[in-house]
Amino acid sequence: AQSVTQPDIHITVSEGASLELRCNYSYGATPYLFWYVQSPGQGLQLLLKYFSGDTLVQGIKGFEAEFKRSQSSFNLRKPSVHWSDAAEYFCAVRGGSQGNLIFGKGTKLSVKP
Amino acid sequence: NAGVTQTPKFQVLKTGQSMTLQCAQDMNHEYMSWYRQDPGMGLRLIHYSVGAGITDQGEVPNGYNVSRSTTEDFPLRLLSAAPSQTSVYFCASSYYGYEQYFGPGTRLTVT
Repeated sequence: AQSVTQPDIHITVSEGASLELRCNYSYGATPYLFWYVQSPGQGLQLLLKYFSGDTLVQGIKGFEAEFKRSQSSFNLRKPSVHWSDAAEYFCAVRGGSQGNLIFGKGTKLSVKP
Repeated sequence: NAGVTQTPKFQVLKTGQSMTLQCAQDMNHEYMSWYRQDPGMGLRLIHYSVGAGITDQGEVPNGYNVSRSTTEDFPLRLLSAAPSQTSVYFCASSYYGYEQYFGPGTRLTVT
């Protein structure tokens, strides 16, 4: 069955430090992968997506993610975190032709001044 | 474009009451879906629709009903509310299953 695992429930980083959020997926075919961000009390905003092609994808707000098929991973990175990046981050895989998304349980990011 | 809109933003129900959560989109998307978000659980799919007149169940459909009479609207009905349905509900739409656009959510409390 398709699934998404985000191993880290909560991560704290200092402002200006680099960030990597981990995501592992289980999917039989070539996956469509997404990262969404949710600020407190808000809906979900798409950060970036991977469908095919270049395995390093750029997103909004300075985020990037790398698709590694051999590791079934799609980790999210940012070279320098800003206080406004504090939020919850969700990795998702498109499961099936209807386009349903299967979400990981999320990683909450806290940013220390 | 307003994108995906949801009403109400907040709702408190008593056990056994029924209500409808409204969702509308103005992007002419064929695909629409409803998720619920609970702490530590991520988002779980309740029902989805791939076009007017076509709906199907997701991972957690029990206690919920949907219909899709127009492309724009996809209401979610709670037939007899239970405390286990206390959650935040998100509606989403997409163009044929590509990236989904989410509404702002409805926070529902059932007492």
